[in-house]
Amino acid sequence: ETGVTQTPRHLVMGMTNKKSLKCEQHLGHNAMYWYKQSAKKPLELMFVYSLEERVENNSVPSRFSPECPNSSHLFLHLHTLQPEDSALYLCASSAGRTGGSYGYTFGSGTRLTVV
Amino acid sequence: GDSVTQMEGPVTLSEEAFLTINCTYTATGYPSLFWYVQYPGEGLQLLLKATKADDKGSNKGFEATYRKETTSFHLEKGSVQVSDSAVYFCALRKGNQGGKLIFGQGTELSVKP
Repeated sequence: ETGVTQTPRHLVMGMTNKKSLKCEQHLGHNAMYWYKQSAKKPLELMFVYSLEERVENNSVPSRFSPECPNSSHLFLHLHTLQPEDSALYLCASSAGRTGGSYGYTFGSGTRLTVV
Repeated sequence: GDSVTQMEGPVTLSEEAFLTINCTYTATGYPSLFWYVQYPGEGLQLLLKATKADDKGSNKGFEATYRKETTSFHLEKGSVQVSDSAVYFCALRKGNQGGKLIFGQGTELSVKP
């Protein structure tokens, strides 16, 4: 148990489906992040939320829609995905967005397969 | 911009061998440095960190020293085990506005019995 819980662990969806990934932390952190990890590629930072406000969106296609209803929960809503979106999606949280000495705490990820 | 460069993998070692995974960084100011480990099928876990020059981070037999003069943070372990097989990520973070955690590309380690 890392302190950051992601559900589901595995997800298979068709290109016309709509699904959501969930991330939950009860570490008292106030910043949360979505990363995409594809095979043979570096980690890609997708979205950053600080105090429930989206502060960064790294040119992510609109078929990915994040939501942060409170400081403990983060969602990634998925619709009309493409096969190349298949990847491990990682959620992370940190104690402060600008706290340089703090690392991030990661969840175990959701393995997404788009068919 | 700021960046982290790790040695290419995969690295394959026999059990009880000495491990070094090289990491160098480019950054202005005084970043904190981190090593994360990702076991198969899992997310990233913080392995160790160092927040200022000459600090040594250590955990589970792994060590890394923050060398500002060579802008390096090499990961070492004296005797690896099969259970150390994983992907290792070096990262830096600065404390200024928008201080993101910047990762290297990861180095895969495979330890054979």
